[in-house]
Amino acid sequence: QQPVQSPQAVILREGEDAVINCSSSKALYSVHWYRQKHGEAPVFLMILLKGGEQKGHDKISASFNEKKQQSSLYLTASQLSYSGTYFCGTVTVPGGGADGLTFGKGTHLIIQP
Amino acid sequence: DAGVIQSPRHEVTEMGQEVTLRCKPISGHDYLFWYRQTMMRGLELLIYFNNNVPIDDSGMPEDRFSAKMPNASFSTLKIQPSEPRDSAVYFCASSTSRGDTEAFFGQGTRLTVV
Repeated sequence: QQPVQSPQAVILREGEDAVINCSSSKALYSVHWYRQKHGEAPVFLMILLKGGEQKGHDKISASFNEKKQQSSLYLTASQLSYSGTYFCGTVTVPGGGADGLTFGKGTHLIIQP
Repeated sequence: DAGVIQSPRHEVTEMGQEVTLRCKPISGHDYLFWYRQTMMRGLELLIYFNNNVPIDDSGMPEDRFSAKMPNASFSTLKIQPSEPRDSAVYFCASSTSRGDTEAFFGQGTRLTVV
């Protein structure tokens, strides 16, 4: 079952912040975040493993609340290069099924100058 | 390494024809995933393999779809017969684990069925 992402789309001015949320109905082992530019393949941003950690990557960071089965991606001081579609991917806990890396429908992020 | 290699990059075929998409994973990666991307459904997991064995094919939409991995360096996704609603971008990805590590995506195959 696909994780649910929100919002579906965001339009920002350069320099503004954004939060993209991802939730699952199943117990999660890991959450992956990818960004895809139009006509290209998805590109890896980060993985968060079970344990409720938070990770950062330049001005992009993410958190993972395993109890709530939710993850959020934070983009601060957005740049034009951040435009694209962001996907969260989830993997269920071992023993909870053989689910492979399953992605949500994506969040379209548009950064305007 | 050249990354995950998919072929062809573009495929246009007529309804009813057989279509075969190909994927070469990164050497040493034990997991291979096939995805279909459409505007409506996003990135859908169709099937994945571990050590050449199909583990979960619950995402395969119909019996018209089949996938094989005869060895560690090659996989195919076949659609027979193809239908216009199969038009999409198909991605192959490989990884060293089911969920601990990054999945590397190929450039995708854009399939158009007319």
